[in-house]
Amino acid sequence: SQQGEEDPQALSIQEGENATMNCSYKTSINNLQWYRQNSGRGLVHLILIRSNEREKHSGRLRVTLDTSKKSSSLLITASRAADTASYFCATPPYNTDKLIFGTGTRLQVFP
Amino acid sequence: GAGVSQTPSNKVTEKGKYVELRCDPISGHTALYWYRQSLGQGPEFLIYFQGTGAADDSGLPNDRFFAVRPEGSVSTLKIQRTERGDSAVYLCASSLVISGANVLTFGAGSRLTVL
Repeated sequence: SQQGEEDPQALSIQEGENATMNCSYKTSINNLQWYRQNSGRGLVHLILIRSNEREKHSGRLRVTLDTSKKSSSLLITASRAADTASYFCATPPYNTDKLIFGTGTRLQVFP
Repeated sequence: GAGVSQTPSNKVTEKGKYVELRCDPISGHTALYWYRQSLGQGPEFLIYFQGTGAADDSGLPNDRFFAVRPEGSVSTLKIQRTERGDSAVYLCASSLVISGANVLTFGAGSRLTVL
């Protein structure tokens, strides 16, 4: 079963534009993570935000978390063609160590 | 090793056959996870190990699926009497605890095709 759902399912933008993708989840969590997957490859961890944090930055990435709405957003600023990939949010249901992934957003950045 | 290694990278088999998929995690990572991913979908949790024991196997779809990690390092996912619906990419990940959370490092996956 999927814990999270991302939207939009697909997003196409031009290089230099910002990309925003959203994640909603179902249960209480201790943290939320974002991963990236290039076509045909394994997933790579991008950023982790804990349940007591509201915003976190890493390079061109900005993540927000609203535990009252059970939602998170990932913003990629000044996108590049190399950012083309699928992006997934992942959460551990409360008091568990397993990570449950969402359905993903497929981002296409055109040069 | 430097990363998570999965073998084989590709496996084509016939319906009804038995399949084993191997995962070699990062040295020192005590937790190991198996996921299954179908085209256009997110990874679906199957099972995870803490050391040698299966800490949570709630995602295994039925009793045809079984996984072991006898020495707390390499793990093998075993699928009996394969069905066409088992076709997917099987992903393995090992984890390091960062800020009190398990952060996963994934292998490249084993693509299973059941004809």
